[in-house]
Amino acid sequence: GENVEQHPSTLSVQEGDSAVIKCTYSDSASNYFPWYKQELGKGPQLIIDIRSNVGEKKDQRIAVTLNKTAKHFSLHITETQPEDSAVYFCAASMGGNQFYFGTGTSLTVIP
Amino acid sequence: GAVVSQHPSWVICKSGTSVKIECRSLDFQATTMFWYRQFPKQSLMLMATSNEGSKATYEQGVEKDKFLINHASLTLSTLTVTSAHPEDSSFYICSARDRRSGDYGYTFGSGTRLTVV
Repeated sequence: GENVEQHPSTLSVQEGDSAVIKCTYSDSASNYFPWYKQELGKGPQLIIDIRSNVGEKKDQRIAVTLNKTAKHFSLHITETQPEDSAVYFCAASMGGNQFYFGTGTSLTVIP
Repeated sequence: GAVVSQHPSWVICKSGTSVKIECRSLDFQATTMFWYRQFPKQSLMLMATSNEGSKATYEQGVEKDKFLINHASLTLSTLTVTSAHPEDSSFYICSARDRRSGDYGYTFGSGTRLTVV
């Protein structure tokens, strides 16, 4: 089955700096890669996603890049703000099937 | 956008009792719903996949007789934790697929914190 690894497990950045979280996956059949933000005591919220036919996608301060050859994808958050502090999960999926989640990254943005 | 309502948000129950958690898709029909379990500071682990009108598919190691899943309509799935024990205490989260979005439209509920005492 699919195996998703995520690094780092914790990340602290100064407000205004950029944050990068990286994930690798094992199954080349995976074709959908969402990123979720989870605040304490709440369910995950989709913040951005990318499909395997696209190499990069950007939405304001958030961007995701995908390297299919190397089987890794990354989340980039620019101009970080304290409200960006949360746990971020990457996931890989093969279309309509289940999601395989990474182990999560706890991001702390220091004011 | 798609909204998934999950209730209750938290519940405390006595050991040996059963607890039912509901997951509703508010503005779309969900052919498939997923139930996850999340322990503190850990990732989401898939427990089962339920398809409307058919039996749920459980992941290896998940007891189907303990975690009863019902998906009787396109907008409602329920997870019942039967004869709950303290080790069942966890954060349970559902996810539903929006048919209108094809294969990629997954929305998560807000989760249910279960504490068994």
